Amino acid sequence: KNQVEQSPQSLIILEGKNCTLQCNYTVSPFSNLRWYKQDTGRGPVSLTIMTFSENTKSNGRYTATLDADTKQSSLHITASQLSDSASYICVVSDGRGSTLGRLYFGRGTQLTVWP
Amino acid sequence: EAGVTQFPSHSVIEKGQTVTLRCDPISGHDNLYWYRRVMGKEIKFLLHFVKESKQDESGMPNNRFLAERTGGTYSTLKVQPAELEDSGVYFCASSQRVYSYNSPLHFGNGTRLTVT
Repeated sequence: KNQVEQSPQSLIILEGKNCTLQCNYTVSPFSNLRWYKQDTGRGPVSLTIMTFSENTKSNGRYTATLDADTKQSSLHITASQLSDSASYICVVSDGRGSTLGRLYFGRGTQLTVWP
Repeated sequence: EAGVTQFPSHSVIEKGQTVTLRCDPISGHDNLYWYRRVMGKEIKFLLHFVKESKQDESGMPNNRFLAERTGGTYSTLKVQPAELEDSGVYFCASSQRVYSYNSPLHFGNGTRLTVT
């Protein structure tokens, strides 16, 4: 069964600290993996995307890693800011075809940054 | 450019009533998608339009849900009659081309539907 599991479910950190969010997936075949940031009351916004040939992708203070062999990805946030408080969602595509029904979403990690 | 807009942002209705959600995609985006997130669960696909045609509606839960995209512009999602388990956040997303590495989804802010 194609699934995306994220951990932790929630995380609280102090402003300025670093953190790492985890994503494990069983989606097969694998096409690409995206990390989305979803602020409260808003829709998800894409942060990074990686295919099986990409191990690392950065977007400012966000760095995503991918190990396609172990089917694991992580999102590292450096020097956290209050505005980083949001839900971070891992989304995996199996790329079977053109139908969008082949995207698999994780439940997200709710990150709270305290001053 | 204007983003994906959804209306209303919130809707509270009683069981058995009808609700219609609207989505205006980014101008020029032929692909429009509906998703739903039920409390505590992951976001799940409902259906996909390419212009006015339904490309994939395999995620629609049952025949109480009807989606339309007349003229290939905005889309509506009607729930009739609404049941308690329909409560959740309904997201609309659009993309210029079918989702791919270089064609990400642009999500709206969602409509939070509460059925009492």
